[in-house]
Amino acid sequence: KAGVTQTPRYLIKTRGQQVTLSCSPISGHRSVSWYQQTPGQGLQFLFEYFSETQRNKGNFPGRFSGRQFSNSRSEMNVSTLELGDSALYLCASSLASGRRKTQYFGPGTRLLVL
Amino acid sequence: AQSVTQLGSHVSVSEGALVLLRCNYSSSVPPYLFWYVQYPNQGLQLLLKYTTGATLVKGINGFEAEFKKSETSFHLTKPSAHMSDAAEYFCAVSDQGTDKLIFGTGTRLQVFP
Repeated sequence: KAGVTQTPRYLIKTRGQQVTLSCSPISGHRSVSWYQQTPGQGLQFLFEYFSETQRNKGNFPGRFSGRQFSNSRSEMNVSTLELGDSALYLCASSLASGRRKTQYFGPGTRLLVL
Repeated sequence: AQSVTQLGSHVSVSEGALVLLRCNYSSSVPPYLFWYVQYPNQGLQLLLKYTTGATLVKGINGFEAEFKKSETSFHLTKPSAHMSDAAEYFCAVSDQGTDKLIFGTGTRLQVFP
């Protein structure tokens, strides 16, 4: 079974631009979560989608948004990019939602904001 | 609220030596705990997890972890280190309110020949 895939793998943008990242979960998985990884803040939760509905949201500004499609694929969007948005963005999928779920991560999208 | 603390941001061992990576958790409810490994320029790979049941959990690549409620610990061990084990290791707990993973700050493992 194919793992979680994320596109693109690398991205360079300039301040003020917007960006859309894509995540395809493992086949049959209905929950997709997004995390941001930076050297300073470590791994931080952005949001989770399950059956096209946002279930939970982390402590990020409204510039960060996401959505999930009927095939469970998910996108996240960051508008008005700031230098501090440079990070590795990781997507994780799981069969179901809930605290016990096991999350499987993709390779990430590395975003550099200049 | 749940949290995890990883003691030691860097651990160095010789090839063939015991690997011990420490993780302590804080949780007001029975915790669900995970260990992930991250190789350079890659995502996170699940090593093992504890939800309920047996307190000694075996994972991939010869790693195991023991859940000790009395010590609020979930340390990761491997009897004999390989060069290929060099990576960053993250301990995580599943948050009660949001189901998100709360990660520790990570431990970078170096393995010397």
